[in-house]
Amino acid sequence: EDQVTQSPEALRLQEGESSSLNCSYTVSGLRGLFWYRQDPGKGPEFLFTLYSAGEEKEKERLKATLTKKESFLHITAPKPEDSATYLCAVGTGNTPLVFGKGTRLSVIA
Amino acid sequence: DGGITQSPKYLFRKEGQNVTLSCEQNLNHDAMYWYRQDPGQGLRLIYYSQIVNDFQKGDIAEGYSVSREKKESFPLTVTSAQKNPTAFYLCASSKLTSGNTIYFGEGSWLTVV
Repeated sequence: EDQVTQSPEALRLQEGESSSLNCSYTVSGLRGLFWYRQDPGKGPEFLFTLYSAGEEKEKERLKATLTKKESFLHITAPKPEDSATYLCAVGTGNTPLVFGKGTRLSVIA
Repeated sequence: DGGITQSPKYLFRKEGQNVTLSCEQNLNHDAMYWYRQDPGQGLRLIYYSQIVNDFQKGDIAEGYSVSREKKESFPLTVTSAQKNPTAFYLCASSKLTSGNTIYFGEGSWLTVV
């Protein structure tokens, strides 16, 4: 069974304090690993898709990386507006994406 | 603008009543999905559809029903058989189910009293 585990469940950072969120996965035949951002009471917003080990993608203060067993979302010098829940999901075969439970990030000014 | 529209945003219903949540997309996507989100539970798949007039059960389909009569529309009915229906419901769509990015609507809050 495909599984996605995100850690930590919650993370509190001071503004400017860089850190990383982890997404580990156990799947047969990865077709893509996806990162989303979700603000309270809103639908998830797509951030990145990674397809193969070694791939990296960046957007503003966020950089996503992928290995054969896990993905990291690195946040460099975060600002309060980066506070949100970050969701990781994997796509395999011909089935819908499997989501992790997310990491709640709080950035304090 | 292209996107996914869910309605209503907030819905209150009495226990025992069926309710239908609307989802419309104008992205020309083939696949559509319904997820349920509870605090600390992440996203759980209720139903999905890859083509008109066909749909499959997800992980938590009991107490829910769907239809896919048009490519653009995928309504979800929460029936009285659903034991704990109060939740945040998210509709999504994608080009295909196989590893393609899915895009979400803004969600619908259902409260059953």
